Amino acid sequence: QQQVKQSPQSLIVQKGGIPIINCAYENTAFDYFPWYQQFPGKGPALLIAIRPDVSEKKEGRFTISFNKSAKQFSLHIMDSQPGDSATYFCAASKAGNQFYFGTGTSLTVIP
Amino acid sequence: ETGVTQSPTHLIKTRGQQVTLRCSSQSGHNTVSWYQQALGQGPQFIFQYYREEENGRGNFPPRFSGLQFPNYSSELNVNALELDDSALYLCASSPGGQTNIQYFGAGTRLSVL
Repeated sequence: QQQVKQSPQSLIVQKGGIPIINCAYENTAFDYFPWYQQFPGKGPALLIAIRPDVSEKKEGRFTISFNKSAKQFSLHIMDSQPGDSATYFCAASKAGNQFYFGTGTSLTVIP
Repeated sequence: ETGVTQSPTHLIKTRGQQVTLRCSSQSGHNTVSWYQQALGQGPQFIFQYYREEENGRGNFPPRFSGLQFPNYSSELNVNALELDDSALYLCASSPGGQTNIQYFGAGTRLSVL
């Protein structure tokens, strides 16, 4: 059973657009929800993360929105740039012991 | 750079063989986790080691085993390789007491023929 479901599988936006990637989870014991960015040939890199007691977190152009009652969270990338083209993964964990990753979203930002 | 180095970068094995993948983390990173990432998929948790002891395991058979050493290096061993073991294997290290913070290596691409 997929613990974290991610959509869409791929996304194409124009430069300056605001891509939104969505994730849903099942286990209410999860207490940490990170987003990772992965470029080809590289490992995932932590982008931004949120805990369930907060509904929104911003870091630079990246924003996480968190809806605890719906068990959903999303990543928004403001003023997207071609350099943001990468694969994005959401994840969830309980006490940092085991991370469950979504299936990934391939983002292409067209100049 | 993440300070996490994995070797080798690529490896080709045949079905039934055994393989050892290596990971070197930063000093003070006493937690290491290993993941399997199939093509086009998200990483799947294999297991985690904390201070040289296994600290959690995902849904992988016993032929996947690991070791962690006092010098912040670790190994992933896979016995009796199967075709489905072909994947990118990632290790991620965490600084002491901050297991939520994971620094990933670039991975080892394993192909099983």
